Amino acid sequence: QVTLKESGPGMLQPSKTLSLTCSFSGFSLSTSGMVVSWIRQPSGKSLEWLAAIDWDGDKYYNPSLKSRLTVSKDTSNTQVFLKITSVDIADTATYYCARTTGSSYYFDYWGQGVMVTVSS
Amino acid sequence: DTVLTQSPALAVSPGERVSISCRASEGVNSYMHWYQQKPGQQPKLLIYKASNLASGVPARFSGSGSGTDFTLTIDPVEADDTATYFCQQSWNDPTFGGGTKLELK
Repeated sequence: QVTLKESGPGMLQPSKTLSLTCSFSGFSLSTSGMVVSWIRQPSGKSLEWLAAIDWDGDKYYNPSLKSRLTVSKDTSNTQVFLKITSVDIADTATYYCARTTGSSYYFDYWGQGVMVTVSS
Repeated sequence: DTVLTQSPALAVSPGERVSISCRASEGVNSYMHWYQQKPGQQPKLLIYKASNLASGVPARFSGSGSGTDFTLTIDPVEADDTATYFCQQSWNDPTFGGGTKLELK
């Protein structure tokens, strides 16, 4: 059974660095073709893909946010991390991690999401 | 960015057929996928690569299209289908449509 779960600080101040963790089970990120992505959704709005890391450790970023994002994974291949630097109010959203298998890059399993509020 | 355009809302009666459209700003081959999202929940994959039904999804859902124009069809619509539906392309860096909110009359 594939499950993913996000965790984060809940609230942080503008200009700080946001650190998120995606813990997953039911698959290994070391398996060829596996990818874990981060996607966010401001309340009442659409979805925005942020970043991804694949089984080989290759990293991919949304070009519009690339300078602020860092995605990484742990050595046991059961957690993926995302850091967003210099957050502001526009980064307030629910952040999801999601799995992709193969090259078609659709998201077949999603975490429940973690809400992050940026406020002073 | 590949921009995906969806109509914002639709209202249909249970038992009817509904088609939800998604237009891409450039050709995406068949790399279009559809998700259903209910309030307070994460998105759920319905259709991948334009016309393939995801595991466990009822056969009432179907997808079609290629290039720039894609359609998600629900036939017949049931009360439980009240949700927002998003398209997503993966021909280029992944992007999502704005979502179509489906309401039942």
